[in-house]
Amino acid sequence: KQEVTQIPAALSVPEGENLVLNCSFTDSAIYNLQWFRQDPGKGLTSLLLIQSSQREQTSGRLNASLDKSSGRSTLYIAASQPGDSATYLCAASHLYNQGGKLIFGQGTELSVKP
Amino acid sequence: NAGVTQTPKFQVLKTGQSMTLQCAQDMNHNSMYWYRQDPGMGLRLIYYSASEGTTDKGEVPNGYNVSRLNKREFSLRLESAAPSQTSVYFCASSEVRVGNTIYFGEGSWLTVV
Repeated sequence: KQEVTQIPAALSVPEGENLVLNCSFTDSAIYNLQWFRQDPGKGLTSLLLIQSSQREQTSGRLNASLDKSSGRSTLYIAASQPGDSATYLCAASHLYNQGGKLIFGQGTELSVKP
Repeated sequence: NAGVTQTPKFQVLKTGQSMTLQCAQDMNHNSMYWYRQDPGMGLRLIYYSASEGTTDKGEVPNGYNVSRLNKREFSLRLESAAPSQTSVYFCASSEVRVGNTIYFGEGSWLTVV
């Protein structure tokens, strides 16, 4: 059974710092891995999706990488801003045609201090 | 553009009461999902519907039923609420296509006392 873990559970950094959020998974037979952002009291917003055949995806200041052999994904945030404060969740999918059937990690709560 | 809409936003139930959470999407997606989110446990899939007329169990289906009313709507029913069902419930939808984004509603906060 797939297990997805995110460490640390919480992270606080000063504004402007580059940071890395970690996600690990136990079953490397994934189809894709996604990173989401969740603001307090809100739903999830998809940030980046990496297919199993890809190594990384980039969107603006965000870069997500995937290493299936080691069971790891990282989300790199460059030049962090207070507006980046939120909970970040990673999720793995095993089915090519059911992209919404996901196994989630517990999330990392990020706080960026001005 | 509404996206995924859930109702109600907040609800308090007594143990044993029943209720239905409603979800609708306006993106013409085939697939819809119900997740629950509990502190320290991330999101877990309750039920999903790959297409209109089909439903399947997810990771934590016990105590719940679902109905895919039409392509737009997917409801979640608690027949006899229990305190263990206190949680935040999220509905989501996606298209059945490689790499397609999943869209979440804003959540329904349910407390069972």
